[in-house]
Amino acid sequence: SQQGEEDPQALSIQEGENATMNCSYKTSINNLQWYRQNSGRGLVHLILIRSNEREKHSGRLRVTLDTSKKSSSLLITASRAADTASYFCATDVVPYSGAGSYQLTFGKGTKLSVIP
Amino acid sequence: DTGVSQDPRHKITKRGQNVTFRCDPISEHNRLYWYRQTLGQGPEFLTYFQNEAQLEKSRLLSDRFSAERPKGSFSTLEIQRTEQGDSAMYLCASSFGEGYYGYTFGSGTRLTVV
Repeated sequence: SQQGEEDPQALSIQEGENATMNCSYKTSINNLQWYRQNSGRGLVHLILIRSNEREKHSGRLRVTLDTSKKSSSLLITASRAADTASYFCATDVVPYSGAGSYQLTFGKGTKLSVIP
Repeated sequence: DTGVSQDPRHKITKRGQNVTFRCDPISEHNRLYWYRQTLGQGPEFLTYFQNEAQLEKSRLLSDRFSAERPKGSFSTLEIQRTEQGDSAMYLCASSFGEGYYGYTFGSGTRLTVV
């Protein structure tokens, strides 16, 4: 089953606008990651935020994490046509054994279209 | 090329045939993961290796699936007696340790079972 759930499922914006995608999850996590996937290709790691962090920046990306609401958001500022892709949040799953996490659970993704 | 390589990129096979995919991870990465992704869905975890040891398998990995990572380097994923429901993109990823700097994914192998 998929733990993360992105919202919206699809988003269409004009070049230069900001894009905001949200992710909700169900269980406790160690960290949350965002990935980008261009059509038919592999995933590219964008940013990781740990459970004790609330906000993180990387270039035009800003990620927030609210562990009390079990939610995260990804903001892409000044979007470009090249940002057109699907964006996935992924949470690590803490094994019941308490050992280090070893797998990521992905949501269904947000499909972003940036219109030139 | 220092990324994760997967071969082949595409595979079309008849139902009932066996297929094998290969993944070459980043050489410094000790962890290797296999995921499966169907259209419109996010990747789903299949299995994971730390060095040569297969430490976890998902319930999605039926007994028709087997994965190996001999010598802790490249990995193979074999599907025996393929079914149409096996049609998907099979993604390999690697990480150093628990992946606190993210996973590096390959471009995937797209399997079509006809």
